[in-house]
Amino acid sequence: EAQVTQNPRYLITVTGKKLTVTCSQNMNHEYMSWYRQDPGLGLRQIYYSMNVEVTDKGDVPEGYKVSRKEKRNFPLILESPSPNQTSLYFCASSKGTGASNSPLHFGNGTRLTVT
Amino acid sequence: AQSVTQLGSHVSVSEGALVLLRCNYSSSVPPYLFWYVQYPNQGLQLLLKYTTGATLVKGINGFEAEFKKSETSFHLTKPSAHMSDAAEYFCAVSSSGGYQKVTFGIGTKLQVIP
Repeated sequence: EAQVTQNPRYLITVTGKKLTVTCSQNMNHEYMSWYRQDPGLGLRQIYYSMNVEVTDKGDVPEGYKVSRKEKRNFPLILESPSPNQTSLYFCASSKGTGASNSPLHFGNGTRLTVT
Repeated sequence: AQSVTQLGSHVSVSEGALVLLRCNYSSSVPPYLFWYVQYPNQGLQLLLKYTTGATLVKGINGFEAEFKKSETSFHLTKPSAHMSDAAEYFCAVSSSGGYQKVTFGIGTKLQVIP
């Protein structure tokens, strides 16, 4: 089954404790992206990747890191989480980097709470 | 720069009534437009998309949307609401400039009243 898999689904952590949220897709998609969803703000893009070893900042990149060493994986790293990073996070992928009419395929989300 | 405005963060309709969710966009280049649906505890799923060609786009679950360039709108409609349509709906715009920057609206929660 074609899917985007995120782990974990739920995560509670404390301020300053490094964490990684994993994302993997099995559709051989070139494009991958991370979003955070907050009430009243919709989805905001954190980082995106057009291909292996190619990443760039989205609208809200502060406090986050990403890497794209393999085509299928795109982990989101919070080196020193803070309470304002409490949010619902989504990973998404789509085929083709030049065709921006390709729809995004989303994972089921990771609900992160930072205390 | 591109942007999306969804009018009404919450919409309530009776079962069987018309569903109308509004979306207006701003884009400096011809846009690609999408509607996504999010059911509780799930990720977003594509409902429909407009790229080029026919301005009336049909999607899944009986939804459709009409691209109106003169009004910069892409409203989502369904003739008859079903209880299973209760979800959050997001309008999104993507640039046609060969670089996938997708901007989402804030979302509209649809409540269907029996």
